[in-house]
Amino acid sequence: SQQGEEDPQALSIQEGENATMNCSYKTSINNLQWYRQNSGRGLVHLILIRSNEREKHSGRLRVTLDTSKKSSSLLITASRAADTASYFCATDEIGSEYGNKLVFGAGTILRVKS
Amino acid sequence: AAGVIQSPRHLIKEKRETATLKCYPIPRHDTVYWYQQGPGQDPQFLISFYEKMQSDKGSIPDRFSAQQFSDYHSELNMSSLELGDSALYFCASSAGGRPYEQYFGPGTRLTVT
Repeated sequence: SQQGEEDPQALSIQEGENATMNCSYKTSINNLQWYRQNSGRGLVHLILIRSNEREKHSGRLRVTLDTSKKSSSLLITASRAADTASYFCATDEIGSEYGNKLVFGAGTILRVKS
Repeated sequence: AAGVIQSPRHLIKEKRETATLKCYPIPRHDTVYWYQQGPGQDPQFLISFYEKMQSDKGSIPDRFSAQQFSDYHSELNMSSLELGDSALYFCASSAGGRPYEQYFGPGTRLTVT
């Protein structure tokens, strides 16, 4: 990965449990986003957190950002079988003028067993 | 709401052939990005265009070229295809002033045999 590691690489949990995924990045960023990808399909945007924010919620999702540690976590509460997918964090770097390219982490494969 | 359209969705080519992937951004989006995702890998940025000009370049091989047209659609041209070019190719678009809000298309799955 260009960016850093995602932790864990794979996670298997029971339906109803919480899932926590972590991501680290290397550069100074404007924003950090989380995406979901079902097997071999498109990327679905989940949530964006700005560099001056520390925590953000959206439904069953909670994202934290620690810019001092260059890390973020995604918490999915009360998981469902339909949450089974790969989850990627992506950052856009400070300094890009036109169209900030996204740098993706390696992804966490989440499997929710029913 | 209209989304990013990519065509074709699937493409099978032989080694050394040429492929053209097309991307139609969301209406009024002026920036297009191309990403390549190999099997089991994270998406890697290839190239982007803002207002029909190349705005950023990533790990795009010299065998690949791309452009954005006057109607803002973009095409990724890939020549002398290699087995390692087999991947999912995503296009994303964004609107001026909010470049971080990239909306991804469904991807084109290219298989080189």
